[in-house]
Amino acid sequence: GNSVTQMEGPVTLSEEAFLTINCTYTATGYPSLFWYVQYPGEGLQLLLKATKADDKGSNKGFEATYRKETTSFHLEKGSVQVSDSAVYFCALSDRPGNAGNMLTFGGGTRLMVKP
Amino acid sequence: DAGVIQSPRHEVTEMGQEVTLRCKPISGHDYLFWYRQTMMRGLELLIYFNNNVPIDDSGMPEDRFSAKMPNASFSNLKIQPSEPRDSAVYFCASSRMGSYNEQFFGPGTRLTVL
Repeated sequence: GNSVTQMEGPVTLSEEAFLTINCTYTATGYPSLFWYVQYPGEGLQLLLKATKADDKGSNKGFEATYRKETTSFHLEKGSVQVSDSAVYFCALSDRPGNAGNMLTFGGGTRLMVKP
Repeated sequence: DAGVIQSPRHEVTEMGQEVTLRCKPISGHDYLFWYRQTMMRGLELLIYFNNNVPIDDSGMPEDRFSAKMPNASFSNLKIQPSEPRDSAVYFCASSRMGSYNEQFFGPGTRLTVL
């Protein structure tokens, strides 16, 4: 079956540090890949996505590249801010379009950024 | 767009009571999902609907849990009777066919069962 594995947190960084959160997956076919972010007390929000191999998703300074050869979708940001403190979830879907819209989520990685 | 709307935002109840959580999906979305989030188990999919029809309820933990979607604008999740181990944050999410499965989440309902 499908699975998503993320690095365990919490990840604690100082402001302006470089961020990497690792994500690897197991899936059949050619999944779409997502990063969601959950700020304290809120629901999950889509941060970025990539729908095919070698695609790079980007948003708000965050980037992730769909690497089929390593089955990875690592999240990166060059300079984190205190406001980036949140829980980040990697997710995949192997049934895009009309075959069902289910997502498989990783366990989440908590990021804490200190001033 | 108002986004996915959930009510109540917080619910505190006593063990044995019935609890009803409500969700209004984004207009035009044809998939609706109910999730539960706890520290111990993370984010779990409970059930999802397509065009108001339940498709997969294998994540519903017990017969005490039930969910319905009487129309495209409303779904509810009921727990009867509630137990302390049901304490969690319950999220509703919706999506549209053909959107590469992007799901839009509501703000969640924090349930505490005493």
